[in-house]
Amino acid sequence: AQSVTQLGSHVSVSEGALVLLRCNYSSSVPPYLFWYVQYPNQGLQLLLKYTSAATLVKGINGFEAEFKKSETSFHLTKPSAHMSDAAEYFCASGGSQGNLIFGKGTKLSVKP
Amino acid sequence: EAQVTQNPRYLITVTGKKLTVTCSQNMNHEYMSWYRQDPGLGLRQIYYSMNVEVTDKGDVPEGYKVSRKEKRNFPLILESPSPNQTSLYFCASRGIWGSNTEAFFGQGTRLTVV
Repeated sequence: AQSVTQLGSHVSVSEGALVLLRCNYSSSVPPYLFWYVQYPNQGLQLLLKYTSAATLVKGINGFEAEFKKSETSFHLTKPSAHMSDAAEYFCASGGSQGNLIFGKGTKLSVKP
Repeated sequence: EAQVTQNPRYLITVTGKKLTVTCSQNMNHEYMSWYRQDPGLGLRQIYYSMNVEVTDKGDVPEGYKVSRKEKRNFPLILESPSPNQTSLYFCASRGIWGSNTEAFFGQGTRLTVV
């Protein structure tokens, strides 16, 4: 069965520091991969998605993710964290039935 | 504006009192689904629908019902709510299922069952 694993339920960084949120997937076929962000009291918003056109995917708010097939990873990065980046981030893979399979989420805290 | 609308946003109810959470999308999407979000467990799919009159169970369907009589609407029904159904619920819709199109989410419904 397909699964998505996010390493670290909580990540804390200082403002201006690199953000790295890890995601590994398991899939026997080329995956459809997504990163979503959830701000407090809001729904999920798409950050970026892997379309197989390029391994480095750029998203909104300065985030990007690199698809590495050999490592079955799709880690999310941002060079310089901002206070407004504090949120929960979810990695997801497109399931065979059209559903999205989510990781358990990583809560990002940004310290001033 | 493309959107998924859920109502209500907040609901407190008592055990056993039937309730319905509505979900509507304006994007003509075929695929719709319901998730519940609980701390430490991420999002788990309750039910999904691939088109009108086609619904199927997700990972945690017990205690829930759905219907898909029209393409735009996908209500979630709790016939006899129990406290373990206290959770944050999200409705989502997606275009052509199986492709790499993203899902659009509603703002969520926070349900408390006492």
